[in-house]
Amino acid sequence: DQQVKQNSPSLSVQEGRISILNCDYTNSMFDYFLWYKKYPAEGPTFLISISSIKDKNEDGRFTVFLNKSAKHLSLHIVPSQPGDSAVYFCAASGTGFQKLVFGTGTRLLVSP
Amino acid sequence: KAGVTQTPRYLIKTRGQQVTLSCSPISGHRSVSWYQQTPGQGLQFLFEYFSETQRNKGNFPGRFSGRQFSNSRSEMNVSTLELGDSALYLCASSLAGQGRDTQYFGPGTRLTVL
Repeated sequence: DQQVKQNSPSLSVQEGRISILNCDYTNSMFDYFLWYKKYPAEGPTFLISISSIKDKNEDGRFTVFLNKSAKHLSLHIVPSQPGDSAVYFCAASGTGFQKLVFGTGTRLLVSP
Repeated sequence: KAGVTQTPRYLIKTRGQQVTLSCSPISGHRSVSWYQQTPGQGLQFLFEYFSETQRNKGNFPGRFSGRQFSNSRSEMNVSTLELGDSALYLCASSLAGQGRDTQYFGPGTRLTVL
């Protein structure tokens, strides 16, 4: 039972354009969401998070949007840079949870 | 502050053997979680330890076990290895392991079972 889904296994974007990575969840008890970025041969690194009391959180080039009614969140990267090429994981958690539930990841390729 | 470290980084074993992986969390972090990453499966939660106690466990067979020491360092053991156990094993630490704590990951141990 995949509670966090990233339906696009890969995404290709040109440098300077916007990258939009999507994530859907099924468990209405989730109230905290995170995005992690992972380069090959490295562990995932925390990128940005959002609490369910917000619908948007911004950090530099990265913005996460949360649509609770649709159980959907997205990560926007503007402008995209070649160094952003990595696998992006969406994760969910919440009060009472002692673990993160991860999606299967989306591989982003930003070409010059 | 030093990050999460995992040893060894790479490991090759044969079926039926057992393996022990080690994780040293960030100083001050008391929660350590273990994940298995395989292609197409994302990160699958194995278990979480806090103050030397296993608090949470994922859906993995009993061949997968772990422990945590008083200094918060953790080990994961897999017995009777199977080919399907080949994966990247990631350890993550956080302050208290509660839902909103950010987890910080180590570089992982790449296990290959032949």
